[in-house]
Amino acid sequence: GQNIDQPTEMTATEGAIVQINCTYQTSGFNGLFWYQQHAGEAPTFLSYNVLDGLEEKGRFSSFLSRSKGYSYLLLKELQMKDSASYLCAVIDSNYQLIWGAGTKLIIKP
Amino acid sequence: TAGITQAPTSQILAAGRSMTLRCTQDMRHNAMYWYRQDLGLGLRLIHYSNTAGTTGKGEVPDGYSVSRANTDDFPLTLASAVPSQTSVYFCASSARQGATGELFFGEGSRLTVL
Repeated sequence: GQNIDQPTEMTATEGAIVQINCTYQTSGFNGLFWYQQHAGEAPTFLSYNVLDGLEEKGRFSSFLSRSKGYSYLLLKELQMKDSASYLCAVIDSNYQLIWGAGTKLIIKP
Repeated sequence: TAGITQAPTSQILAAGRSMTLRCTQDMRHNAMYWYRQDLGLGLRLIHYSNTAGTTGKGEVPDGYSVSRANTDDFPLTLASAVPSQTSVYFCASSARQGATGELFFGEGSRLTVL
């Protein structure tokens, strides 16, 4: 079967750095997305990785290792508004999007 | 820019009743999707449409139907609601088919079936 694993919940301190991991076992790979979802709101796009390496976008970076079936989202200089769930999603060989259950990130002052 | 509009935002429905969740987009995207989101689970695809006039089944299509009469509208119908259909429903669109494009989501419709 296909599986996306993310930690259920993480806690971090305002101003710090946090890394949210995502491991996947899917039938093929055609790309990986990260989305942010604030409580009670719609998911919004953060990043897309299809090649190995690090993609940086402001305070957020996303890393991919296809050989390890692994990605992480790195959030720097954490702000209270970063409190949200972070969803990892993988495109499989049939171009179907497989979603992880999400990681709830709690930021403390 | 409105993006994607869903209605209603919240609804309580008696089991056995029918319900249509509406979804309208103004971005002229070809691909549209309906997902349900349940606690502890990833988003699950119900139905999708790659272009006006075509629809397809997703991971959990049973009990749901869709239509795509034009580019902008993609309603989701529950013919006879059951309590297991209690969920938050998200409509989404993408400029590209085949899951490779960024998804734009509506604000969601919270449905409770009693």
